[in-house]
Amino acid sequence: EVQLVESGGGLVQPGGSLRLSCAASGFTFSSYWMHWVRQAPGKGLVWVSRINSDGSSTSYADSVKGRFTISRDNAKNTLYLQMNSLRAEDTAVYYCARGIVGATIWFDPWGQGTLVTVSS
Amino acid sequence: QSALTQPASVSGSPGQSITISCTGTSSDVGGYNYVSWYQQHPGKAPKLMIYEVSNRPSGVPDRFSGSKSGNTASLTISGLQAEDEADYYCSSYTSSSTLLFGGGTKLTVL
Repeated sequence: EVQLVESGGGLVQPGGSLRLSCAASGFTFSSYWMHWVRQAPGKGLVWVSRINSDGSSTSYADSVKGRFTISRDNAKNTLYLQMNSLRAEDTAVYYCARGIVGATIWFDPWGQGTLVTVSS
Repeated sequence: QSALTQPASVSGSPGQSITISCTGTSSDVGGYNYVSWYQQHPGKAPKLMIYEVSNRPSGVPDRFSGSKSGNTASLTISGLQAEDEADYYCSSYTSSSTLLFGGGTKLTVL
């Protein structure tokens, strides 16, 4: 069974940092592009970032560029999102999702999400 | 980039059909056949229902169908069932090589 399990969320003060992890299983992790998508409480989905299969290419939404870093460890089947200089507006459930190779087109499956709350 | 435009809510009775629209621009919906639809039940992760405008992943009932005309894509659910009550989001690949979601539509099964 293809599975994605996020962890690392929690409460952090504005300006602080947090690292999210996403453990993948049930598929050849190193063959897929991976993504982070977030959803603020009561709001819609917003694409955050993607990384290609070998980690050599990344892309970010303008709202997080320069503050967030996506990375992956294919030996550990794990995706990461390092979040620095966090702001209140970064408060959201963060989902990792499997994409396809070559383009940011659709995501399947998604993890269950991890909640990040930025507040003093 | 602004979110794709979806109606905030739609409703229908069991057995009926409903359609949810998703309007973008020529830089996203209209420019590519890369529109997808996701279903999200409260407190759950989104689930892919339609990809590349009209394709259904394995396991998705054929009651769900997708189409596109110009800058507007549509999701149609026929034979509405109680379990279809959820939020639905469209998404599209963009000319910036990113992905844009719609604002979401709450489907109520009366």
